[in-house]
Amino acid sequence: NAGVTQTPKFRVLKTGQSMTLLCAQDMNHEYMYWYRQDPGMGLRLIHYSVGEGTTAKGEVPDGYNVSRLKKQNFLLGLESAAPSQTSVYFCAGTPSPWGTEAFFGQGTRLTVV
Amino acid sequence: SQQGEEDPQALSIQEGENATMNCSYKTSINNLQWYRQNSGRGLVHLILIRSNEREKHSGRLRVTLDTSKKSSSLLITASRAADTASYFCATAPGAGGTSYGKLTFGQGTILTVHP
Repeated sequence: NAGVTQTPKFRVLKTGQSMTLLCAQDMNHEYMYWYRQDPGMGLRLIHYSVGEGTTAKGEVPDGYNVSRLKKQNFLLGLESAAPSQTSVYFCAGTPSPWGTEAFFGQGTRLTVV
Repeated sequence: SQQGEEDPQALSIQEGENATMNCSYKTSINNLQWYRQNSGRGLVHLILIRSNEREKHSGRLRVTLDTSKKSSSLLITASRAADTASYFCATAPGAGGTSYGKLTFGQGTILTVHP
């Protein structure tokens, strides 16, 4: 099993460009999350989904959009990238709403210049 | 806002020594989890302790939880160079309703184990 797979692994964008990060999971998780990790700040939740067709805002949602058209995929979009969105992005999934073990992808390192 | 505060921010020890990392949090929790992150990689779950538990073991890992002090500690015994990584605590909210699996992470402790 691949688990949670993120594409791409690295990306450099120019300010104002758009892109989509893809998270694919083969673990049949209902709950999926997008976090960003910045130096000295741990991980912060951007958006999450509690099932196919659902999305909700997390702690730092501004500048991002998400979609969960299929249960196995959770997409994170940046419509107009800004240097402040330079970060490492992690997708995670979990089978339970009660805070059980989360399974993480390997991350996407995004630089906005 | 960050739920967890971790201490120390960085820890450097020799192989064979024990490593202790601490985590404090602010609100009531359902459980507290510890994750490990190797450089440039994703987070890997290590251990979960529920709010009604006080201590839990897994191999060389020992986790304690003191809900009255809103704090937890992770002890790694007989450390190895391969334990070099960042360690994060994460809390799942406990007050009313479901947290939808959302976790709030601390800033992490960077552990370096020298051979």
